[in-house]
This record gives sequence, structure tokens and C-alpha cells, in this order.
Amino acid sequence: SQTIHQWPATLVQPVGSPLSLECTVEGTSNPNLYWYRQAAGRGLQLLFYSVGIGQISSEVPQNLSASRPQDRQFILSSKKLLLSDSGFYLCAWSGVRINTEAFFGQGTRLTVV
Amino acid sequence: GEDVEQSLFLSVREGDSSVINCTYTDSSSTYLYWYKQEPGAGLQLLTYIFSNMDMKQDQRLTVLLNKKDKHLSLRIADTQTGDSAIYFCAESSLFSGGYNKLIFGAGTRLAVHP
Repeated sequence: SQTIHQWPATLVQPVGSPLSLECTVEGTSNPNLYWYRQAAGRGLQLLFYSVGIGQISSEVPQNLSASRPQDRQFILSSKKLLLSDSGFYLCAWSGVRINTEAFFGQGTRLTVV
Repeated sequence: GEDVEQSLFLSVREGDSSVINCTYTDSSSTYLYWYKQEPGAGLQLLTYIFSNMDMKQDQRLTVLLNKKDKHLSLRIADTQTGDSAIYFCAESSLFSGGYNKLIFGAGTRLAVHP
């Protein structure tokens, strides 16, 4: 069966520090991968998606970047965090068929102080 | 453009039915989804409906789709305290390359009280 791992679960970082959140998927190959952010009291905002190794597309301009060094590994990064980067970050994967459901990790709660 | 809208809060008494509503804009969406998020956790798929269906029932859950009005609802019968969570409506959309993308609403926080 497929599983998705996301870590760390919580993170408190000072403004200006770097960020690296990691997500890995097991039990499937060539998944579509996604990073979403959920700000307090708001819905999910799609940040990045990837359809293959090294292929990253961004939905919104921001202080963050994403990389996919391996087929089932997706990394969310920042060189210098801002206060506005605080939120709940969710990694997800889906199959490549059109209109397939997405499976989510447990999320990382990031607080920038 | 793509947009999904939901009311933010719903409060119901234990044992009553809950109805969570959602409107979407992308008429090309083929599947529409309901996800549940419990506190501090990721999202789990509750149910989905194909756009050529009007209704889908799955135990206590009933999904109604009005494609003409682009309106989706989730009814939870005999609501229990364990149903307290945030419920997200999502529509599937296509981005460049023909791959699937999910557009989520802001989520409806369901509070169940005795």
C-alpha cells in the first residue's frame, strides 16, 4: 500500500533562518507531488506541484522554493524565512490519471518567530 | 478562473443532520471531493462524486450535486461528536500538461454539541 511521510511535525524557526521540509512517498512510482499551505482560518493554497524528477511548477510567487531530487521525494525550502511564512504545510501525492484523488501527509506546523 | 467557496462554520446538535454546502466555478471539473481534517492532522478523503451523478450515498454521508448551479453539498446523518472537524470541498481541475490539480475551498468547521 502507498504511504506518505512528512517531517518534521512541528517547527519553530527565527526570522531569516533557512527552511527545509521533506516529504517522501512509498508504494507508488512517478506520482504527482504537491505542497499546500494552510494559513490559520483559511483554506488550502497550492504552492508547488511536480509531475516528475526536477520538474517543479509554482502556483504563486513567494519566498519558498521546491525541489524533487528523486521520484518519490519532495522538498520545500527557503533561504530566509519571513513571519508570513508561518502556517501549516501539507505534502500530497496523486496518481497521474486525470481526476484521481490526492493523499495527504500529516502536515508540518511552522511558526516563524 | 477556478474558485471554490464554502461557509466557514456550522454548529449542530448531536444526533441531528449536518449539511455543508459548497459552490465551485470550473464547469469542466469531472470529479468533486469532500475531505475531512481533524485537529493537527492532514486531510483524508471522505467521498467523491462524478459530475454525471446527482447523488451519492455512503453510509451516513450523502453527497448532492447540482451541476447547473455548480453547487455541492455533504449531508451527515446522525451527527456525532467524532464528526467535529474541518470539511473541505475540492474540485479537480487541469493544469498545463493535462495533469490533475485539486482546488480546495476554505473549509467548513463543523462543531457538534450535546
